[in-house]
Amino acid sequence: QSALTQPASVSGSPGQSITISCTGTSSDVGGYNYVCWYQQHPGKAPKLMIYDVTNRPSGVSNRFSGSKSGNTASLTISGLQAEDEADYYCSSYTGRNVVFGGGTNLIVL
Amino acid sequence: EVQLVESGGGLVKPGGSLRLSCAAPGFTFSAYNMNWVRQAPGRGLEWVSSVRSSSTHIFYADSVKGRFTISRDDAKQSLYLQMNSLRVEDTAVYYCARTNWGDWNFDLWGRGTLVTVSS
Repeated sequence: QSALTQPASVSGSPGQSITISCTGTSSDVGGYNYVCWYQQHPGKAPKLMIYDVTNRPSGVSNRFSGSKSGNTASLTISGLQAEDEADYYCSSYTGRNVVFGGGTNLIVL
Repeated sequence: EVQLVESGGGLVKPGGSLRLSCAAPGFTFSAYNMNWVRQAPGRGLEWVSSVRSSSTHIFYADSVKGRFTISRDDAKQSLYLQMNSLRVEDTAVYYCARTNWGDWNFDLWGRGTLVTVSS
């Protein structure tokens, strides 16, 4: 199956809010409430930030929130901080396995 | 400490084989589904394979089916990936990842091991 579609880059200033979209189809994002978001800093392993569309693992800041509408999931980061600058990947269950998005580079201006 | 530590990566020629290992100290390995996810240089994440607890079910991406074999040894708290008939396009950092809160949420990742397939 094809990768989920994410914008290549998003930017924002410290303190602002940004939203990263993740568009799939009714066979993945739209069909299941099994969307995850991962943060990856350069040279580091990915870190789970959101699972099952809206849930935050223990230890993840409540500045990170997830939502979904139809075939598009979104990650919102409020109160942007310099340390949020990283790549972000969404993933979704497809009915058989999991597919990732192409990734979004978040730039904190 | 709860962690995942991959090893076994390296340089291999096209058509060659390599076996990756992932040591998983610090948690009850047998209770978790485990996975391999890879990332080609400068590219995004790609799911490779998953094995359920007790090896009851195994899944592969179409891109590696028939060439890669995932396995686990719960007594050794370890996950493996046997990679055969390697191709240039298999070049990537291979991450070991643990599943939690469902079947496809990867909550713990290793630092990865680099596999380079080149002549």
